[in-house]
Amino acid sequence: RKEVEQDPGPFNVPEGATVAFNCTYSNSASQSFFWYRQDCRKEPKLLMSVYSSGNEDGRFTAQLNRASQYISLLIRDSKLSDSATYLCVVNSRSGSARQLTFGSGTQLTVLP
Amino acid sequence: DVKVTQSSRYLVKRTGEKVFLECVQDMDHENMFWYRQDPGLGLRLIYFSYDVKMKEKGDIPEGYSVSREKKERFSLILESASTNQTSMYLCASSSSGGAHEQYFGPGTRLTVT
Repeated sequence: RKEVEQDPGPFNVPEGATVAFNCTYSNSASQSFFWYRQDCRKEPKLLMSVYSSGNEDGRFTAQLNRASQYISLLIRDSKLSDSATYLCVVNSRSGSARQLTFGSGTQLTVLP
Repeated sequence: DVKVTQSSRYLVKRTGEKVFLECVQDMDHENMFWYRQDPGLGLRLIYFSYDVKMKEKGDIPEGYSVSREKKERFSLILESASTNQTSMYLCASSSSGGAHEQYFGPGTRLTVT
């Protein structure tokens, strides 16, 4: 079983739609959680950290459910510029707190 | 603003050649990482370093080695390149404090023929 699992998509949604991505992780001792965004042929960049109480940044909302080992990202009012691959990232290595484990990503295309 | 740079954006090498990929960060980060990214497999950790001259194996270290002689610089070495090492190579750095957010370089697309 992969440490971090995501639905690869692709998700094709019209502009203005609300879309949600889910991610599950296998290590219950995981401490830090993130969503990264990767544009085509570019490097991953941090979109937002995910906090236990849930957090919002503009149109983006991230939720964490530790009991179910589940992370979600909700994007409201989708824009064309939101088209990218979204990576779920977890600090889940028992041996080193410095390492992050990346999911394979969920591809989003926002259509005009 | 954190900046991570990589020595080349595109590289073409022949099977059996020795390949050096260099990464430099300017934020005085303790931790540096080398990943490769392949379609359907996502980012896989090759090696990382948490201090000068220190290194640890990641998930797929076979066929690679690394060097960290200075804090800001982390090199990935392919001793004898093979076609299955054709990939996108990404370097990242992070500080030891906080939640360990990683900052990535632009990547090097390596093709081994």
